[in-house]
Amino acid sequence: DAKTTQPTSMDCAEGRAANLPCNHSTISGNEYVYWYRQIHSQGPQYIIHGLKNNETNEMASLIITEDRKSSTLILPHATLRDTAVYYCIVRVAIGGAQKLVFGQGTRLTINP
Amino acid sequence: DGGITQSPKYLFRKEGQNVTLSCEQNLNHDAMYWYRQDPGQGLRLIYYSQIVNDFQKGDIAEGYSVSREKKESFPLTVTSAQKNPTAFYLCASSLGTPGETQYFGPGTRLLVL
Repeated sequence: DAKTTQPTSMDCAEGRAANLPCNHSTISGNEYVYWYRQIHSQGPQYIIHGLKNNETNEMASLIITEDRKSSTLILPHATLRDTAVYYCIVRVAIGGAQKLVFGQGTRLTINP
Repeated sequence: DGGITQSPKYLFRKEGQNVTLSCEQNLNHDAMYWYRQDPGQGLRLIYYSQIVNDFQKGDIAEGYSVSREKKESFPLTVTSAQKNPTAFYLCASSLGTPGETQYFGPGTRLLVL
């Protein structure tokens, strides 16, 4: 399974854009990149996913490099409620189900 | 409301005791999953099920058992064979077709007394 590498922690000022990088240099052509976040003692919350094109939704934008070896999650206007652990995950299909391969994630702290 | 529910939120187990964690979903999802999370770590897959009456081992299935008698329910039993059961357990579900997103429940924290 492809593995991901993320910085252990990051800080961002409230109201600024938070840019969270992720390396997935061994990703294969049919593996999706997913981003989830987890606030302490809660279940992970889905944010966004993509295969090779950039994606945007109401929560964030996902920028995937052309060679697909890395990606960046962008929270355009970070708020204090965005403080969480952010996981960049490669999703591998296993028959009709999926397998999410989690790493340790990036602990993002939004500062007032 | 549609979603995934897990109960209880906290569960205490005595040494040598089996305990069962509940997971229910009303999203009409075919696939369901159980993950384990240890402090400061990511999630690891225990078991998953693609359809009723079928389930497969994940990466760390030893000491655990599951059943899938109904589409909506996927209970996880932590047996006495699991030597280090203290962890945060998360249940998830997805439509089951490739490309569908996996959604998580709120989790159950299991503590061994």
